[in-house]
Amino acid sequence: DVQMTQSPSSLSASVGDRVTITCRASQDIVSHLNWYQQKPGKAPKLLIYYTSTLQDGVPSRFSGSGSGTDFTLTISSLQPEDFASYYCQQSNTTPLTFGGGTKVEIK
Amino acid sequence: QVQVVESGGGLVKPGGSLTLSCAASGFSFSDFYMSWIRQAPGKGLEWVSYISSRGDTTYYADSVKGRFTISRDNAKNSLYLQMNALRDEDTAVYYCARINDYGVYRFDYWGQGTLVTVSS
Repeated sequence: DVQMTQSPSSLSASVGDRVTITCRASQDIVSHLNWYQQKPGKAPKLLIYYTSTLQDGVPSRFSGSGSGTDFTLTISSLQPEDFASYYCQQSNTTPLTFGGGTKVEIK
Repeated sequence: QVQVVESGGGLVKPGGSLTLSCAASGFSFSDFYMSWIRQAPGKGLEWVSYISSRGDTTYYADSVKGRFTISRDNAKNSLYLQMNALRDEDTAVYYCARINDYGVYRFDYWGQGTLVTVSS
């Protein structure tokens, strides 16, 4: 199975900060990497798929990059509505696996 | 608009059974793979199972293989998860999600989730 490791597990940041979350796969997953945002008590929401393609309606301050085993999610200027948990997920092989999540909190 | 709505969660004793349902609307259900994903209280997301658009191919996480069965009824736009031999560690919110497989598999629409609690 492909293990997905996210770092950090949590971070504190201020509105306007640039935030970067890292996801590492235990083996090459090419570009088959997706990112989700989850707010407390809500279902996850697809943000980015295929490493860097924004889902419809997702603000352009979100971006994704990487390939192979190392990937990043960047929020260029953190907004109040971005405080949430973020999960990466690989779709290269079954079982489909998620990272452990990164909680973005207000500093 | 695309909607998926789960139902059927509740409290069940260890060793018991429960069937979850997911009603889909706003898209051509029979054209899409579908999946169940769960989240234990305070924990991260865990993929559970998915099923092909025609229902002829299924996959399961090792943690549920042999105990859970995914199925669908395309005539009713519905997805199901039959859960047997439930354990304490199956306690979670269970989400139904549509899989968009154009390019790369991704869960592009999620339901609000249904809570399954396994406890004596």
